[in-house]
Amino acid sequence: QLQLQESGPGLVMPSETLSLTCTVSGGSITNGAYYWGWIRQHPAKGLEWIGSISSSGIAYYRPSLQSRVTISVDTSKNQFSLQLTSVTAADTAMYFCARPVTTGTTGPFDHWGQGVLVTVTS
Amino acid sequence: EIVLTQSPDTLSLSAGERATLSCRASQNVPSSYVAWYQQKPGQAPRLLIYGAFRRATGVPDRFSGSGSGTDFTLTISRLQPEDFAVYYCQQYGSAPLLTFGGGTKVEI
Repeated sequence: QLQLQESGPGLVMPSETLSLTCTVSGGSITNGAYYWGWIRQHPAKGLEWIGSISSSGIAYYRPSLQSRVTISVDTSKNQFSLQLTSVTAADTAMYFCARPVTTGTTGPFDHWGQGVLVTVTS
Repeated sequence: EIVLTQSPDTLSLSAGERATLSCRASQNVPSSYVAWYQQKPGQAPRLLIYGAFRRATGVPDRFSGSGSGTDFTLTISRLQPEDFAVYYCQQYGSAPLLTFGGGTKVEI
């Protein structure tokens, strides 16, 4: 059974870089032309797609975050990662990694990690 | 960017009743690529419906989706106690760019 697990610091200082990793188990990240995604949810708010990446490294980003976001993939570790630079309190959120139900497109998502809460604070 | 507006914000119903949730898009969603998710407190979202009406694996048939163009609906035919949650719509017709609605809370 495919499982995704986010990991990374729960606290980040303002102006620094948020770095998270999603480890995929129960299947290979290179199996099928899936786009692996990052989604965040601000406290008591709705969901926001951050970006997605294929196992070959093709990445797409939310336009409003594009200047600060990098998503990368490490097929040897069966992982993909998120970096968000110059964070502010507005980046405080629960961050989820996820995989779509079908190949060849960035959504919708039927496999999700449990999420990791990242708080931006000095 | 396609903006999704969900209504109502909150739906107060009793178990056994029918729930009708609306999702309106700011422009046509190509191929009716709309999905619906259920989210309970402290959990990740769960995919219920995609392609406007296709149920995801393991989703009970009391959940159904409909609609096209700019207007989409999630219907829960007879609410069960475990169905009280927040529901989000998502469009992927403009993929790779994805957008979500603001959510509808279904409460007792």
